[in-house]
Amino acid sequence: NAGVTQTPKFQVLKTGQSMTLQCAQDMNHEYMSWYRQDPGMGLRLIHYSVGAGITDQGEVPNGYNVSRSTTEDFPLRLLSAAPSQTSVYFCASSYTQAWGDGGNEQFFGPGTRLTVL
Amino acid sequence: GQQLNQSPQSMFIQEGEDVSMNCTSSSIFNTWLWYKQDPGEGPVLLIALYKAGELTSNGRLTAQFGITRKDSFLNISASIPSDVGIYFCAGRTYNTDKLIFGTGTRLQVFP
Repeated sequence: NAGVTQTPKFQVLKTGQSMTLQCAQDMNHEYMSWYRQDPGMGLRLIHYSVGAGITDQGEVPNGYNVSRSTTEDFPLRLLSAAPSQTSVYFCASSYTQAWGDGGNEQFFGPGTRLTVL
Repeated sequence: GQQLNQSPQSMFIQEGEDVSMNCTSSSIFNTWLWYKQDPGEGPVLLIALYKAGELTSNGRLTAQFGITRKDSFLNISASIPSDVGIYFCAGRTYNTDKLIFGTGTRLQVFP
């Protein structure tokens, strides 16, 4: 298994440009999520999905869109990039987020480092 | 948004020393996870805890789910240089499907 993969690894955008960050997992996980990591802020949840066709907002959703057409893929779209979106973006997946023992552990991709000028 | 209180923020220790860090929350959690992040990489899961009082080890790492369900501890024994990195706690309350992350403990180990 490749686990969680993310592309690109690095990206530089100009203000106002749009782009899509790709995320894929081959573990048949139901739950996928996007986080951004800024210095001193830990990981903040942008959007998440509990299964194909279902998405919901996290803590910092503004300026981002997501879709989940398949179990494997969960792309994150920046509609009109702003300097405030300069960050490291991580995609993560887990078997479930339901109650109970096990299966909630989230596995992270290697990250996309985005700079918006 | 809600974040966990993780302490200390940073630690500078000598190789061979033991390390202790913890996370506290104002809410009761049903899941505690501990991650390590190396520079330029994504967080990697170290230990998962699901029951109050649970004590789990992974090599030189030991983590505990606090009895009050509002805290968790991670201990590293006999630290080595490759322990360097940022350690994050993460937790989940009963009425949500989202994980909440601590702000991280940055660990430096000197030979």
